[in-house]
Amino acid sequence: AQSVAQPEDQVNVAEGNPLTVKCTYSVSGNPYLFWYVQYPNRGLQFLLKYITGDNLVKGSYGFEAEFNKSQTSFHLKKPSALVSDSALYFCAMRDSRSGGYQKVTFGIGTKLQVIP
Amino acid sequence: DTAVSQTPKYLVTQMGNDKSIKCEQNLGHDTMYWYKQDSKKFLKIMFSYNNKELIINETVPNRFSPKSPDKAHLNLHINSLELGDSAVYFCASSQVEGYSSYNEQFFGPGTRLTVL
Repeated sequence: AQSVAQPEDQVNVAEGNPLTVKCTYSVSGNPYLFWYVQYPNRGLQFLLKYITGDNLVKGSYGFEAEFNKSQTSFHLKKPSALVSDSALYFCAMRDSRSGGYQKVTFGIGTKLQVIP
Repeated sequence: DTAVSQTPKYLVTQMGNDKSIKCEQNLGHDTMYWYKQDSKKFLKIMFSYNNKELIINETVPNRFSPKSPDKAHLNLHINSLELGDSAVYFCASSQVEGYSSYNEQFFGPGTRLTVL
């Protein structure tokens, strides 16, 4: 069975500081990994994804994520946090062997609070 | 132009009633989804349709019945509403394009259902 873990319910960071939102996964095959962001009272928005190749993936709004196969992690990062980055962040995964129509597993979400 | 739209945005109703939520996407995607987000923000897939065919049907009470009149629309009908059905329901779409697809999903703004 596949699973996604986001070990932190909330991450607090000062504006201007680097931020990291953690995600680890468990899957039999190779993962397709995604990050989504949800602002209050809005739907989820896609940030970035890892499919294959370069372990460092760049996405929207200055976010990036690093795929680490040995640690089964896909942490989301940003060099300098903005107050407007405060939101709920979801890590998601699909097993590359499972077929395109199979479900994507979402983590429980991590609330990012950027403090002015 | 809204890519994935849902109506209504808010739905307040009494226990035992029947209600429907509508979803439309103008992205030309072949796959649509319904998710339920509970009060703790946990996101759970309910159904998925590909070109009007049911692909994913998670363990959801049979009071919930999705209907896809065409690949741009996926509606959710709920019979005999219960207090526990109160949640935010999100529609999403993606272009799956077969077994190895890794395309991201596009989410609607959500429908907040409150059952009294």
